[in-house]
Amino acid sequence: DGGITQSPKYLFRKEGQNVTLSCEQNLNHDAMYWYRQDPGQGLRLIYYSQIVNDFQKGDIAEGYSVSREKKESFPLTVTSAQKNPTAFYLCASYDRFDGMNTEAFFGQGTRLTVV
Amino acid sequence: LAKTTQPISMDSYEGQEVNITCSHNNIATNDYITWYQQFPSQGPRFIIQGYKTKVTNEVASLFIPADRKSSTLSLPRVSLSDTAVYYCLVGALSGGFKTIFGAGTRLFVKA
Repeated sequence: DGGITQSPKYLFRKEGQNVTLSCEQNLNHDAMYWYRQDPGQGLRLIYYSQIVNDFQKGDIAEGYSVSREKKESFPLTVTSAQKNPTAFYLCASYDRFDGMNTEAFFGQGTRLTVV
Repeated sequence: LAKTTQPISMDSYEGQEVNITCSHNNIATNDYITWYQQFPSQGPRFIIQGYKTKVTNEVASLFIPADRKSSTLSLPRVSLSDTAVYYCLVGALSGGFKTIFGAGTRLFVKA
């Protein structure tokens, strides 16, 4: 069963801690993205990767870091530099046709709360 | 990158047809138009995608005029379960695949 899996579903972080959110896909997609969603808001792009060992900053990359060592995996680390990390985090992989990102497949999300 | 503008919210009643229009004046020649649906605490789900004229699938239709500066998602005979946020996206091939979601349209379907 192909899909994209995020873990954990809920995560609690203490002030000053780094935490890592997992995102794994078995859809054989090259493109993977991380978005952040605050209550009642749309999705904002954090980082994206079009191919293994390469990634680019999105609109709100400060305080976050990523790696793309394997095609299947795109973990997101929320560092202590991110001052307001409480949010819903969504990972997506994109199918591609003719060089264009087409349909996105999203994970179920990770809800991160600072305690 | 093509910016999109959608209404913030819309209300409807069960059984009605709902049309949500998205403006994208700066759409590029190679850009496709894609719509997603999102329920609370879930990731968005792909609804439909098109390039020009009309596209129809089992859940929706997408109307795109000749100038492609706007598009309209049409949901026939909505039900309560169609209450969700709907996002219009325009492909950003020229921007290096920087696929961006806007604020979306919150649709409330009433009984």
